[in-house]
Amino acid sequence: AQSVTQLDSHVSVSEGTPVLLRCNYSSSYSPSLFWYVQHPNKGLQLLLKYTSAATLVKGINGFEAEFKKSETSFHLTKPSAHMSDAAEYFCVVSGGDSNYQLIWGAGTKLIIKP
Amino acid sequence: DGGITQSPKYLFRKEGQNVTLSCEQNLNHDAMYWYRQDPGQGLRLIYYSQIVNDFQKGDIAEGYSVSREKKESFPLTVTSAQKNPTAFYLCAARGRMNTGELFFGEGSRLTVL
Repeated sequence: AQSVTQLDSHVSVSEGTPVLLRCNYSSSYSPSLFWYVQHPNKGLQLLLKYTSAATLVKGINGFEAEFKKSETSFHLTKPSAHMSDAAEYFCVVSGGDSNYQLIWGAGTKLIIKP
Repeated sequence: DGGITQSPKYLFRKEGQNVTLSCEQNLNHDAMYWYRQDPGQGLRLIYYSQIVNDFQKGDIAEGYSVSREKKESFPLTVTSAQKNPTAFYLCAARGRMNTGELFFGEGSRLTVL
């Protein structure tokens, strides 16, 4: 069975400081992994995805994530937070015996302090 | 522009009424999904469709129904059997199995009065 755990429900950082949003996964298969961002009352936008190519994945708006199979992690990082990064972030895993289904993390709310 | 269009954006319903949420896509994607999102929570899958004239129940299908008569359209009906329908509903489409990402609409917020 597959699962996704986002280790923090809320993360608060100051503007200009690094961001780290943590995601661990469990999968019996070679997974595809995604990070999505949701601003209030909006749909979700893809930040980046890992699909068994390079383990360090670069996304939009300066975000990146590293796939670490040994640690079953796919943490999202950004060197310097901006006020516009305040949003909810979701980690998602795909693949396995039901390839059209995706397993969603509970989300991490990112708060940016001025 | 290519994308997913959901309507209406806001909808109010009286208890006991059915309501249908529209979802249209022009991405030519085979798979479409409906999710429900409650405040402070993640997404829960209601129904998904891999191809026209076929759809499967997700984790919380009770009280909902869908149809997939055309590739472009995947409407969701919230029936009176859904006991707590007030929520934010998101429709998405996906091009490729396993590696493809979801493309989302802007969502529909349903409030039961």
